[in-house]
Amino acid sequence: AQSVTQLDSQVPVFEEAPVELRCNYSSSVSVYLFWYVQYPNQGLQLLLKYLSGSTLVKGINGFEAEFNKSQTSFHLRKPSVHISDTAEYFCAVSDERSGGSYIPTFGRGTSLIVHP
Amino acid sequence: NAGVMQNPRHLVRRRGQEARLRCSPMKGHSHVYWYRQLPEEGLKFMVYLQKENIIDESGMPKERFSAEFPKEGPSILRIQQVVRGDSAAYFCASSPRIRAGNTIYFGEGSWLTVV
Repeated sequence: AQSVTQLDSQVPVFEEAPVELRCNYSSSVSVYLFWYVQYPNQGLQLLLKYLSGSTLVKGINGFEAEFNKSQTSFHLRKPSVHISDTAEYFCAVSDERSGGSYIPTFGRGTSLIVHP
Repeated sequence: NAGVMQNPRHLVRRRGQEARLRCSPMKGHSHVYWYRQLPEEGLKFMVYLQKENIIDESGMPKERFSAEFPKEGPSILRIQQVVRGDSAAYFCASSPRIRAGNTIYFGEGSWLTVV
């Protein structure tokens, strides 16, 4: 069974500082990994995803993530954050379930709080 | 191209009443997923449906909860005899097909408050 662990429930950071949001997963088969962002009272938007190929994935809003198979991690990074990046960030993993479906499992989320 | 539409956005129900949450997937999408978001718990998968079929309901509570996705019209998540613990945000997502690495697209959610 697949699972996702987001190690930090809250990450405070000052504007223009770099940030890393951590995500570890467990799965017994090949996985597909996602980061979503949720702004207050809104739904989730896809930031980026890893399917195969290059382990460094670039997404929207200047975010990137690196897939590390040996460490079963998919950490999200941004070199310089803005106030507008304040939001909840969710890591998700999907693999093939019985019946051929691919239903993402989400972590608990990390609240990124950017201070001026 | 409209995104995933959920309504109502906010719903207040008294204990024991029924709640019905509706979801219209993106145009061209025939796969619908429902997730529940409780404070401090992230998103929990509830059910996955295709038109007229429930494919995976492994995350649905055994009692009081049901879901459908009829041939015509939106998907409905129905909660009977609501209790305080049902208060949560319910998110619907859709996708055009099932394949490896599928992206699912979320609606803005329905916030249920049980008083």
